Amino acid sequence: AQSVTQPDARVTVSEGASLQLRCKYSYFGTPYLFWYVQYPRQGLQLLLKYYPGDPVVQGVNGFEAEFSKSNSSFHLRKASVHWSDWAVYFCAVGQQGTGSKLSFGKGAKLTVSP
Amino acid sequence: NAGVIQTPRHKVTGKGQEATLWCEPISGHSAVFWYRQTIVQGLEFLTYFRNQAPIDDSGMPKERFSAQMPNQSHSTLKIQSTQPQDSAVYLCASRRGLGSFSYEQYFGPGTRLTVL
Repeated sequence: AQSVTQPDARVTVSEGASLQLRCKYSYFGTPYLFWYVQYPRQGLQLLLKYYPGDPVVQGVNGFEAEFSKSNSSFHLRKASVHWSDWAVYFCAVGQQGTGSKLSFGKGAKLTVSP
Repeated sequence: NAGVIQTPRHKVTGKGQEATLWCEPISGHSAVFWYRQTIVQGLEFLTYFRNQAPIDDSGMPKERFSAQMPNQSHSTLKIQSTQPQDSAVYLCASRRGLGSFSYEQYFGPGTRLTVL
């Protein structure tokens, strides 16, 4: 069964500093992977997606993520965090071929300090 | 493009009452998903329709929960005899057809259900 682990439930970063949010997935084969962001009282917004191909994918607002099959990871990065990035970030894995349900990690709550 | 629309945004029910949640997918999307979000369990898959047909309801509680998609423009999630443990945010998402090779899901703002 597919699953996702986000080991860091809460992360605090100073504004302007770099960010990495970790994601480890469990999936037999090559998965589709996603990062979503959730702002307070809102639904999930897609940040970026990985389909088999280039392991580094670019997303919105300066976010990027790198897929590693050997490490079963899909870490999210940003070079310089802005206060507006304060939100909860979810990593998700989807099943190739059938395009069915997504399995989500528990999320990482990002706090941006001044 | 209005995105996925969910109504109501908030619903408060008394224990034992029925709750019906509505979802309007993005026009042209052929798949609709329902998820439930709680602090304790996180995001849980409930059920999935493709071209209005139920495909996977493996996440649906066996009792009291049902979902339908009577036409391509809306889906409903019905909870009968609501219990306090049903309190959660219910998220609907839609996705383009498989032939598009586009597998990302687009989420609505959710319906926050509170059962007193």
